[in-house]
Amino acid sequence: GAVVSQHPSRVICKSGTSVKIECRSLDFQATTMFWYRQFPKKSLMLMATSNEGSKATYEQGVEKDKFLINHASLTLSTLTVTSAHPEDSSFYICSARILAGVPDTQYFGPGTRLTVL
Amino acid sequence: GENVEQHPSTLSVQEGDSAVIKCTYSDSASNYFPWYKQELGKRPQLIIDIRSNVGEKKDQRIAVTLNKTAKHFSLHITETQPEDSAVYFCAAPMGSQGNLIFGKGTKLSVKP
Repeated sequence: GAVVSQHPSRVICKSGTSVKIECRSLDFQATTMFWYRQFPKKSLMLMATSNEGSKATYEQGVEKDKFLINHASLTLSTLTVTSAHPEDSSFYICSARILAGVPDTQYFGPGTRLTVL
Repeated sequence: GENVEQHPSTLSVQEGDSAVIKCTYSDSASNYFPWYKQELGKRPQLIIDIRSNVGEKKDQRIAVTLNKTAKHFSLHITETQPEDSAVYFCAAPMGSQGNLIFGKGTKLSVKP
């Protein structure tokens, strides 16, 4: 149990375009989903916290107009990188926290590698 | 806010030896401490976690110890195997939402 999927796994786009990444909890409901960014050989940097039905909470230094987050249901959150630039190239990983049971356990998606040309 | 420090950043051991990774945290209200293992290009996988009402938890070759007074917790891997080679992250929750703040990671290499 506690499976999180992420789509797409890999995307290459041109500078200036927007890219949408989906994060789904497959076998549980997630009140809260998280979006992380990970640079090569670095730790996970929390970008934002997404609560179902409410606005996302962004970490300091993360532009909310650039990284649009929507958490429309208890099983789906989306991250849209708007007007992507080469510096946005990174590994983006989502995680989901189970609604019931252990409240703080987070399960991660497989990640999306974004390359902006 | 929460600050999580993790040491060492790299650790190399011989197969069969033990490996210990340590983390400290700053928020005394933190009550949940997970450890994740991340292989290259893959997602972090939860390997063990501990809550503040216990001082130690074991799962086969993996154990975690917690010292709430000193605000540190450690991951212990015994009888290491080459497949244990990966980057390990500790984490501690921050704030009312319990968002996890991750340590910088430890790259463990187990040499056969």
